[in-house]
Amino acid sequence: KAGVTQTPRYLIKTRGQQVTLSCSPISGHRSVSWYQQTPGQGLQFLFEYFSETQRNKGNFPGRFSGRQFSNSRSEMNVSTLELGDSALYLCASSPGRTSGSNEQFFGPGTRLTVL
Amino acid sequence: TQLLEQSPQFLSIQEGENLTVYCNSSSVFSSLQWYRQEPGEGPVLLVTVVTGGEVKKLKRLTFQFGDARKDSSLHITAAQPGDTGLYLCAGALSYNTDKLIFGTGTRLQVFP
Repeated sequence: KAGVTQTPRYLIKTRGQQVTLSCSPISGHRSVSWYQQTPGQGLQFLFEYFSETQRNKGNFPGRFSGRQFSNSRSEMNVSTLELGDSALYLCASSPGRTSGSNEQFFGPGTRLTVL
Repeated sequence: TQLLEQSPQFLSIQEGENLTVYCNSSSVFSSLQWYRQEPGEGPVLLVTVVTGGEVKKLKRLTFQFGDARKDSSLHITAAQPGDTGLYLCAGALSYNTDKLIFGTGTRLQVFP
């Protein structure tokens, strides 16, 4: 079974631009979550989607948004980029509520650098 | 507010030594996972514990979930250079969400 894939792997943008990151979950998984990882803050939860609905949202400004499609693929968007948005953005997938264990499987991440 | 405190932050040891990493919280978790992350890659799931007092073994790694489901530990026996990496604990506050609260991480370096 193929793992979680994320595209692109690396991205360089300038302040004020916007960016869209993509995530394809493991086949059969219906839940996708996004995390931001920085050296100072560690891994922080951004949002969680299940069956195209946002089920949970972390404490991030409205510039961060996401969506999930009917095939469970997900995208996240960051508008008006700031220097502090430079981070590794990780996507994780899980089977959903039926798993009973909250196990999640992470993709390799997208390294975003904002100049 | 950091809900999950991990210690130690850094660990540098010689091959063959034993070590324990701790993950502590004042919150009760429905489940807790341990991950290992290599530089530039995503975290890789090592184990999930769901029952208070549960002990799981994965070769030389032993994971324990506290009786009250507020803390966990990871013990590595006879560490090897291949164990080098960032170890992360992550807890879920509810079965109804996949939102994970991550610990601060323990960076382990094992020298040959």
